[in-house]
Amino acid sequence: EAQVTQNPRYLITVTGKKLTVTCSQNMNHEYMSWYRQDPGLGLRQIYYSMNVEVTDKGDVPEGYKVSRKEKRNFPLILESPSPNQTSLYFCASSSAGTQYFGPGTRLLVL
Amino acid sequence: GNSVTQMEGPVTLSEEAFLTINCTYTATGYPSLFWYVQYPGEGLQLLLKATKADDKGSNKGFEATYRKETTSFHLEKGSVQVSDSAVYFCALSDHTGRRALTFGSGTRLQVQP
Repeated sequence: EAQVTQNPRYLITVTGKKLTVTCSQNMNHEYMSWYRQDPGLGLRQIYYSMNVEVTDKGDVPEGYKVSRKEKRNFPLILESPSPNQTSLYFCASSSAGTQYFGPGTRLLVL
Repeated sequence: GNSVTQMEGPVTLSEEAFLTINCTYTATGYPSLFWYVQYPGEGLQLLLKATKADDKGSNKGFEATYRKETTSFHLEKGSVQVSDSAVYFCALSDHTGRRALTFGSGTRLQVQP
């Protein structure tokens, strides 16, 4: 089944404790992206990747890092999480102009 | 910059009622337009899309027509079901290299039996 997977689905952490949210797709898509969803704001792009080893900032990149060492994986790294990064995070991959989303990771930073 | 405006929710309807969720956009050029649906506790699913003016996207009884003259992409369904209860997001992509989707704030639909 073609899909985008994310782990973990739910995470509670404390301020300053580094964490990684993994994202993997099995559709051989070159393009992948991370979004965060906040009430009343819809979804906003954090980072994107056009291909392996090619990443760039989206609309709200501050406080986040990404890497793209292989085509299928695109992890999101929070080196020092803060409470304002409490959000619902979605990974997406794209083909032919259509983005397909993972199930989401709900993060709470205390 | 790009923007998408959706009608405020929640929208509450009885089963078998007609649904319209309004969506208007601002963008340069000729964006692609999308409707995504988010069921409770789940991720975003692509519902339908249209890539050029006058295209009609359709899926699962839902339809939306790309109207460039009114910069709109309203979502319609002739007869809603309880299972359609979800949050619906209108979005656009402007074909730049970044391919970022610009989303509206979402409209919650509640269908009562």
